[in-house]
Amino acid sequence: QVQLVESGGGVVQPGGSLRLSCAASGFTFSSYGMHWVRQAPGKGLEWVAFIRYDGSNKYYADSVKGRFTISRDNSKNTLYLQMNSLRAEDTAVYYCAKDTADPSGSYLDYWGQGTLVTVSS
Amino acid sequence: SSELTQDPAVSVALGQTVRITCQGDSLRSYYASWYQQKPGQAPVLVIYGKNNRPSGIPDRFSGSSSGNTASLTITGAQAEDEADYYCNSRDSSGNHYVVFGGGTKLTVL
Repeated sequence: QVQLVESGGGVVQPGGSLRLSCAASGFTFSSYGMHWVRQAPGKGLEWVAFIRYDGSNKYYADSVKGRFTISRDNSKNTLYLQMNSLRAEDTAVYYCAKDTADPSGSYLDYWGQGTLVTVSS
Repeated sequence: SSELTQDPAVSVALGQTVRITCQGDSLRSYYASWYQQKPGQAPVLVIYGKNNRPSGIPDRFSGSSSGNTASLTITGAQAEDEADYYCNSRDSSGNHYVVFGGGTKLTVL
């Protein structure tokens, strides 16, 4: 069965950095695009970033562009999110999610359990 | 515009039918997908594409689309359907890859 397990969350000071990981299993990781989606406490879902199956293209939300970097290692079945220059408003649960690769849209069919990032002094 | 708009809250009587809507320009070009999220849990995909349900999703959930509006319909709502529902779609503006709606809190009375 498909499993996505995030790790790397924690408490970090404003201006600090953190790297999240998402270990994937149960599917051919190298064949699917992957997303990071976050949810601030008591708020809705916010899409953060997407990377194509082979890492050839990456997309970011305006709120994180220039500060966050999405990457993947298909040999390790792992997705990453490098977060720099963190701000209080980046505090959220961060989910990784698998894309279905359907040309009619972008559908996130499996999600991890999430990892909490808290930016606070 | 790269926004998707949802009503913040909707209620339905137990066993009745409810429609949750999502509006945005991107929906003229791409199908929406719908996610159910219960407190403390990760979102779950319930509808995607024209009207597709992932394995394990009850057939009381269905989707439709017209113009710039996508709809999620629950026919015969159950107590366990009380949750937050989010729509999303590809972003046709080219500014982003994906955009989410703000979410709708469904209360089953």
